[in-house]
Amino acid sequence: DAGVIQSPRHEVTEMGQEVTLRCKPISGHNSLFWYRQTMMRGLELLIYFNNNVPIDDSGMPEDRFSAKMPNASFSTLKIQPSEPRDSAVYFCASSRRAANTGELFFGEGSRLTVL
Amino acid sequence: DAKTTQPPSMDCAEGRAANLPCNHSTISGNEYVYWYRQIHSQGPQYIIHGLKNNETNEMASLIITEDRKSSTLILPHATLRDTAVYYCIVRVAGGNEKLTFGTGTRLTIIP
Repeated sequence: DAGVIQSPRHEVTEMGQEVTLRCKPISGHNSLFWYRQTMMRGLELLIYFNNNVPIDDSGMPEDRFSAKMPNASFSTLKIQPSEPRDSAVYFCASSRRAANTGELFFGEGSRLTVL
Repeated sequence: DAKTTQPPSMDCAEGRAANLPCNHSTISGNEYVYWYRQIHSQGPQYIIHGLKNNETNEMASLIITEDRKSSTLILPHATLRDTAVYYCIVRVAGGNEKLTFGTGTRLTIIP
């Protein structure tokens, strides 16, 4: 089975530009998580969805960030306008709600650099 | 999620057992102990989890104290590929529950 697929793997943009990160969860998984990782703050949970519904977005830094999950096989994380402090690696993860292990499967991440 | 405490870094000789400790003194009765690791620039990877009994799988063993206030992850025969940051996390079970990462232990396997 394919794992969690994220795109783009690398993005370099200028301050003020809109950035859209994409995630395709593992088929059959109904929970999806967006994380951000920086050297200073480590791995932070931004938002997570169950059955395409946002459950907890308390980690979303500010109104410039938004996330959507229009269907079970696709999610986006949008930053508009982007700022240099948004530079980080953004990870998407998915899991099966009924799974006994509660294991989250992570994608390879999208490395964002905002100049 | 209850807070966990881990040493920031550890070294282990290749081929020896790596024992990574974790304190979770405020763990609740319905919270499990999970271990994940993150190899440089990759996404975190699930290793093992347990409630109160010791657990073993193909990757590692998890030893949880009787009072459940601490645990140890054991990599029985460490290899250079085990060099990574290891995260100990406590959370309720179920794939729909969020996972909150701390700072973890940076384990370096020495040749």
